[in-house]
Amino acid sequence: QQQVKQSPQSLIVQKGGISIINCAYENTAFDYFPWYQQFPGKGPALLIAIRPDVSEKKEGRFTISFNKSAKQFSLHIMDSQPGDSATYFCAASKGMAARQLTFGSGTQLTVLP
Amino acid sequence: GAVVSQHPSRVICKSGTSVKIECRSLDFQATTMFWYRQFPKQSLMLMATSNEGSKATYEQGVEKDKFLINHASLTLSTLTVTSAHPEDSSFYICSARGVDGYTFGSGTRLTVV
Repeated sequence: QQQVKQSPQSLIVQKGGISIINCAYENTAFDYFPWYQQFPGKGPALLIAIRPDVSEKKEGRFTISFNKSAKQFSLHIMDSQPGDSATYFCAASKGMAARQLTFGSGTQLTVLP
Repeated sequence: GAVVSQHPSRVICKSGTSVKIECRSLDFQATTMFWYRQFPKQSLMLMATSNEGSKATYEQGVEKDKFLINHASLTLSTLTVTSAHPEDSSFYICSARGVDGYTFGSGTRLTVV
């Protein structure tokens, strides 16, 4: 019930294309869904996050789509750039209180120039 | 935004010695910090939850006597890997919850030779 399943494991996109990463969760008590970007040798950095009371959130080229009934959420990166090449992790937690995040398995994104 | 500083970024130690990793919240107070371990091309694995002024809570399978955690102040948590062995070589990352969500340190690459 604590799992967050992420796909695909790796993704190769041409510059200017759209990168789409999907996550599915089981625990209906989760109510905070962040996405993190991690470059090699660095800690994860918060990219964008959503709560289940909205179906979509957009920040610049990054958009989260959230489907509460399907228990799925996805990250869309528009106009993907080579600098976006990194590993992306979805995560979920129950409440914003100091509880640990449950992470997806990660997606290694490569954007070709 | 919230900043979590982690030191050292890299450390090489001899087998049998101990290594201390520091995690500081620079511009906010964190009663709870989290310690993760990450193997190459894998997701973050929560090791323990560090609570200010009390004992840490360890995840199942994590040796509390090997991975000593101290959270003596609202801005500092330390992880000490005791009697390190080559299998302890990994990337260790701390995090804390700030106003904008969970913030991660830049990680520590531990190599035990």
